[in-house]
Amino acid sequence: KQEVTQIPAALSVPEGENLVLNCSFTDSAIYNLQWFRQDPGKGLTSLLLIQSSQREQTSGRLNASLDKSSGRSTLYIAASQPGDSATYLCAVRPAAGGTSYGKLTFGQGTILTVHP
Amino acid sequence: DGGITQSPKYLFRKEGQNVTLSCEQNLNHDAMYWYRQDPGQGLRLIYYSQIVNDFQKGDIAEGYSVSREKKESFPLTVTSAQKNPTAFYLCASSIVFLRGASNQPQHFGDGTRLSIL
Repeated sequence: KQEVTQIPAALSVPEGENLVLNCSFTDSAIYNLQWFRQDPGKGLTSLLLIQSSQREQTSGRLNASLDKSSGRSTLYIAASQPGDSATYLCAVRPAAGGTSYGKLTFGQGTILTVHP
Repeated sequence: DGGITQSPKYLFRKEGQNVTLSCEQNLNHDAMYWYRQDPGQGLRLIYYSQIVNDFQKGDIAEGYSVSREKKESFPLTVTSAQKNPTAFYLCASSIVFLRGASNQPQHFGDGTRLSIL
């Protein structure tokens, strides 16, 4: 059974700092990995999606990397801002085939606070 | 704008009562999902549907039921059999995960918070 773990559970940084959020998964047979952002009391917004064949994806100040063989992904946020404060979740989709195809397995999230 | 609408935003359930959470999407997505989120935990899949009139149990389906009579709608009923229903419920949709479509993310609604009276 796939298990996804995110470290740290919470992170507080001053504005302007570069930071890294970590995500690890136990089964490397994945189709893709997604990073989401969740604001308090809201749904999830997709930030980046990395295919299993890719090593990284970039969007603005965000960069996500994937090392499928070691079961790890990182989300790098450059020049953090107070508006980046939110919970960040990663999720993996299993490789094609089997009854779990298409279902996402989520980590428990990292709560990020960026203070001015 | 295309998106997913969940209602109500807050819902209270009395003991022994069934309650239904609404989820509507106008994204023309075939697949829809229901997740449950508890404090400090990630999302856990309750039910999902990849086509109208068909749905499958997720990891925590006990005490819940769904229907998929229309492509746009995927309501979730929390039955009296669910003894710990207090949680944040999220609905999502996506295109069906066929080959060549693996780069499409799931889209989420803003959630319904269910509490016990």
